[in-house]
Amino acid sequence: AQSVAQPEDQVNVAEGNPLTVKCTYSVSGNPYLFWYVQYPNRGLQFLLKYITGDNLVKGSYGFEAEFNKSQTSFHLKKPSALVSDSALYFCAVSPGYNTDKLIFGTGTRLQVFP
Amino acid sequence: EAQVTQNPRYLITVTGKKLTVTCSQNMNHEYMSWYRQDPGLGLRQIYYSMNVEVTDKGDVPEGYKVSRKEKRNFPLILESPSPNQTSLYFCASSLWEGYQPQHFGDGTRLSIL
Repeated sequence: AQSVAQPEDQVNVAEGNPLTVKCTYSVSGNPYLFWYVQYPNRGLQFLLKYITGDNLVKGSYGFEAEFNKSQTSFHLKKPSALVSDSALYFCAVSPGYNTDKLIFGTGTRLQVFP
Repeated sequence: EAQVTQNPRYLITVTGKKLTVTCSQNMNHEYMSWYRQDPGLGLRQIYYSMNVEVTDKGDVPEGYKVSRKEKRNFPLILESPSPNQTSLYFCASSLWEGYQPQHFGDGTRLSIL
């Protein structure tokens, strides 16, 4: 079965430190991978995506993610966390071109402490 | 401004009383979808639509109906709501290709008593 796993319910990091939010997937073929962020009382906002090409993709607000095909992972990273990065982060995977399916992980709450 | 608009944002109602949550997008997107968000479960797809008059079930369609009579609108209908449908609902839209990111509304919090 196709699935996405975010193994950490919450990640805590001090402001200024690097952060990583983990995501692994189980999808056949060549998937499209996404990260979304959700702030309180708001819908999800697109951060970045991997379609093909360079394994390191850069997105909004200084976030980046590294696609690792052998480990089937797509971890979200940022070199220096801000308090304003505190939010709920979702990894999502689409099995491939022209598909109607977007599978979401359960979400990871990122808490950045001053 | 490009946006997905859901109404209402909050609703408390009782079991069995039919309700409709509206969703409208102004980006001329072909693809629209409804999700529900529950703690520990992430987002689960209820129904989706690839274009006008084309709808299909997602992962959790039981108890819900949708229609797509116009490209911009995709209402979610609960004919006979039950307490297990208490949740946070999101409408989303995108261009139809699988690699296009989805644009989400701000959500509708439904409480069914």
